[in-house]
Amino acid sequence: DIVMTQSPDSLAVSLGETATINCSSSQSVLYGPDNKRHLAWYQHKAGQPPRLLIYWASTRESGVPGRFSGSGSGTDFTLTINNLQADDVAVYFCQQYHSGPPTFGAGTKVQIK
Amino acid sequence: QVQLQESGPRLVKPSETLSLTCTVSNYSISRGYYWGWIRQPPGKGLEWIGSIYHTGDTFYHPSLKSRLSISIDTSRDQFSLKLNFVTAADTAVYFCARLNGHNPNVWGQGTLVTVSS
Repeated sequence: DIVMTQSPDSLAVSLGETATINCSSSQSVLYGPDNKRHLAWYQHKAGQPPRLLIYWASTRESGVPGRFSGSGSGTDFTLTINNLQADDVAVYFCQQYHSGPPTFGAGTKVQIK
Repeated sequence: QVQLQESGPRLVKPSETLSLTCTVSNYSISRGYYWGWIRQPPGKGLEWIGSIYHTGDTFYHPSLKSRLSISIDTSRDQFSLKLNFVTAADTAVYFCARLNGHNPNVWGQGTLVTVSS
């Protein structure tokens, strides 16, 4: 299985500032035939189900605010939350769906400083 | 708005079968999409369990395949999970979800299932 490693485990960011979350995969999640990066990001708030934020590494799901953006290629990816809002407090997971069973990172907890 | 809701026993004895059903509202599952199960053990990350298409085609996590069965009932807009011979390691919050490809984009609230005697 592809192992997904996230960093940091947690971070505290001031309101209005930028949160950056990293995700590395144990092998490339770039799929040759469609040249797409098979990487997604989720937001998980306490007491709620997870929410899909981004897929294909950088495509925002419908309804997701523009302050959320994804980037990266190959094995290293980043979720950036610009202008952090109080409502963004959550755990954020990355997921690969390139090969084998889909696997998730352990999560990064984002808090307000 | 599509909604999913898990139901089933919250407490299962070791070596017995964990059974959960996901009821889909405001959408006919026979129209398409894959439907899946994901779990999260206490204090740990998410783990993919498996998925099923409306035609009945399934994809199971290899580590669970020998104990796992996922079925679908399009007439009731429900799909179900059965996991045999459970142990304490199967204690988790179980989520059902609608999948956009391999991406769950609509999730149920999740239900905690505890394996204990």
